[in-house]
Amino acid sequence: KAGVTQTPRYLIKTRGQQVTLSCSPISGHRSVSWYQQTPGQGLQFLFEYFSETQRNKGNFPGRFSGRQFSNSRSEMNVSTLELGDSALYLCASSLMDRVDGYTFGSGTRLTVV
Amino acid sequence: AQTVTQSQPEMSVQEAETVTLSCTYDTSESDYYLFWYKQPPSRQMILVIRQEAYKQQNATENRFSVNFQKAAKSFSLKISDSQLGDAAMYFCAYKRQGAQKLVFGQGTRLTINP
Repeated sequence: KAGVTQTPRYLIKTRGQQVTLSCSPISGHRSVSWYQQTPGQGLQFLFEYFSETQRNKGNFPGRFSGRQFSNSRSEMNVSTLELGDSALYLCASSLMDRVDGYTFGSGTRLTVV
Repeated sequence: AQTVTQSQPEMSVQEAETVTLSCTYDTSESDYYLFWYKQPPSRQMILVIRQEAYKQQNATENRFSVNFQKAAKSFSLKISDSQLGDAAMYFCAYKRQGAQKLVFGQGTRLTINP
C-alpha cells in the first residue's frame, strides 16, 4: 500500500511569506503528527491531529498551525516566515495510538531566504 | 519533561562487524515505549526496533537487538553483521503511554567501512 506522502519535497520561500505543507497519510490511518528537524534543535514535535481534532501541540509559536481534513489528509501552515524556520518538516501517520504504527514520510525541505 | 540523550554523534564500523549505539533517557513515568529509528539520505524515518517498558525481554529484529536497562534508563542498539545499507542517522526515541508525541535524541551518524 502507498506510504505517507508529503508535498512538496522542496520549497524555497522568502522571509515574511507564508507556506503550506501537505501530508497524505496511509489509507486508514487517522492520526497525523508533524515534526520539525533542524541540525541545531534536532527533531521536535509540532502537533498531532486525530479525526480532524488537534490533540497535542508542541512548544512552537502561533505562526505554526495545522489542520486535518475528513479524509485524514493534513496540512501545516507557517505564517510570517523567519530564517530559523528553515528545516525538514516530517509527517507521520498511525492507526489510532498503536505504538508500532508510526510511519513517516520523506519530508518537505523548507528553505527560507 | 522527558529527555533522550545519544552521546555518540558519530560511529563507524567495518562491514560485517558489530556496533553498539548508546541511548539514555530520563522519565518519571513507568509505562512507556522506546524506539530506534533509522534515517537514510532519503530522509524517511524508518522504524528499526521498539521496546515496551513493561517487557523485561530485550527486543530483537533480525540483525538488530537492544539492551534495555530500565533501572539505569539505558536503551542501546546492537547491529550485528553490519552491512553497507545500514549506513544512516540513527535516532533513539521515547513515547509515554497515552501520549501522541515522540521525543527524539540528537542522533548518531553511523558509517559502514567496506
